[in-house]
Amino acid sequence: DAKTTQPTSMDCAEGRAANLPCNHSTISGNEYVYWYRQIHSQGPQYIIHGLKNNETNEMASLIITEDRKSSTLILPHATLRDTAVYYCIVRVAGSGTASKLTFGTGTRLQVTL
Amino acid sequence: DGGITQSPKYLFRKEGQNVTLSCEQNLNHDAMYWYRQDPGQGLRLIYYSQIVNDFQKGDIAEGYSVSREKKESFPLTVTSAQKNPTAFYLCASSRLQGLITEAFFGQGTRLTVV
Repeated sequence: DAKTTQPTSMDCAEGRAANLPCNHSTISGNEYVYWYRQIHSQGPQYIIHGLKNNETNEMASLIITEDRKSSTLILPHATLRDTAVYYCIVRVAGSGTASKLTFGTGTRLQVTL
Repeated sequence: DGGITQSPKYLFRKEGQNVTLSCEQNLNHDAMYWYRQDPGQGLRLIYYSQIVNDFQKGDIAEGYSVSREKKESFPLTVTSAQKNPTAFYLCASSRLQGLITEAFFGQGTRLTVV
């Protein structure tokens, strides 16, 4: 699985959009970008994933650059409950085999009043 | 409700004792994973399995052992050979086929060795 690079921490005011970047310059053509978040002392929670098109669900939007070397997770209206560590991962989806599913250190997002 | 369950939530053991952490899923997922997380750090992969009776080492397998006798269960044993066993342990599972193969995580077991 390709390696990802994320900023260590970010702050966001409540009600504002939180934009979390991720670099994955060595991503392969068959690798998807996945985002998870981990609230303190809980298991990580899946947020969204995509291949090359932008994706949106009830939690967030995912913007992937045309060359697929980077992506941005957008939380449109951040709340205090969005304070968590956000992990960006790239892996092959639906391959029929289990990949290592490697997590980095993620971005610690602090949402403030 | 379908999900992945880890037990116990907190576990205390004396140094030198082996301890087994439980992970059960009723999602009919083929793949299961074990991770270790230390304070302020990311998740590090210990072992993973994609089919019954088969598993592969992750990045930090030394001092750990696993079994996969049933599809639903993937217990992790922390042996006395693990030098720093105190940590937060997370189990996950995922499908292998199709586009929706995101991993689902349990709530974790916090192991403290004294």
